[in-house]
Amino acid sequence: SQQGEEDPQALSIQEGENATMNCSYKTSINNLQWYRQNSGRGLVHLILIRSNEREKHSGRLRVTLDTSKKSSSLLITASRAADTASYFCATANRDDKIIFGKGTRLHILP
Amino acid sequence: NAGVMQNPRHLVRRRGQEARLRCSPMKGHSHVYWYRQLPEEGLKFMVYLQKENIIDESGMPKERFSAEFPKEGPSILRIQQVVRGDSAAYFCASSQGLAAQNAQYFGPGTRLLVL
Repeated sequence: SQQGEEDPQALSIQEGENATMNCSYKTSINNLQWYRQNSGRGLVHLILIRSNEREKHSGRLRVTLDTSKKSSSLLITASRAADTASYFCATANRDDKIIFGKGTRLHILP
Repeated sequence: NAGVMQNPRHLVRRRGQEARLRCSPMKGHSHVYWYRQLPEEGLKFMVYLQKENIIDESGMPKERFSAEFPKEGPSILRIQQVVRGDSAAYFCASSQGLAAQNAQYFGPGTRLLVL
């Protein structure tokens, strides 16, 4: 069964605004990872957050993890046109299986 | 340090032909994963290999699909007797260790079109 599910499916915001994407999952995980995919390209790893961590930062990215709610969020601050892409969460369970969600398509408007 | 390389980038096959997709992991990475992506969908896990061993092939169809990662050379995903439903983007990723504990680095993908 699918593990990570992103919400919303699509998001359009003005350049400079913050973008928040959420990911919910169903079973226990070892870690959760966020990836970005530009159209027609491979995935780029953004952040890995372990199950015993609550928050992680990387530049303009902030990821939170709430294991009690089985959810994670990815916040992109001060968005730029180059942030336009699809964003996927991927969960890794004890069997070392990585399961990807269907992604959130983010569009930054000029 | 070159990233994950995949070739070909685009592959067109007629129904019934064979498709052979190659993946060279990042230098120092011994774990290789293959995924399939349909348009507007996320990635679906297919198979996980380490050098000369298939660790987990639970996501790969039992018929027509096979994968290998020889001691020397790239990992190969082979699809025999392709059908239209095999049309998709196939991505390879590599990591230093277990994917559950390490970031995966993805190649640019091979887009397979079956006519």
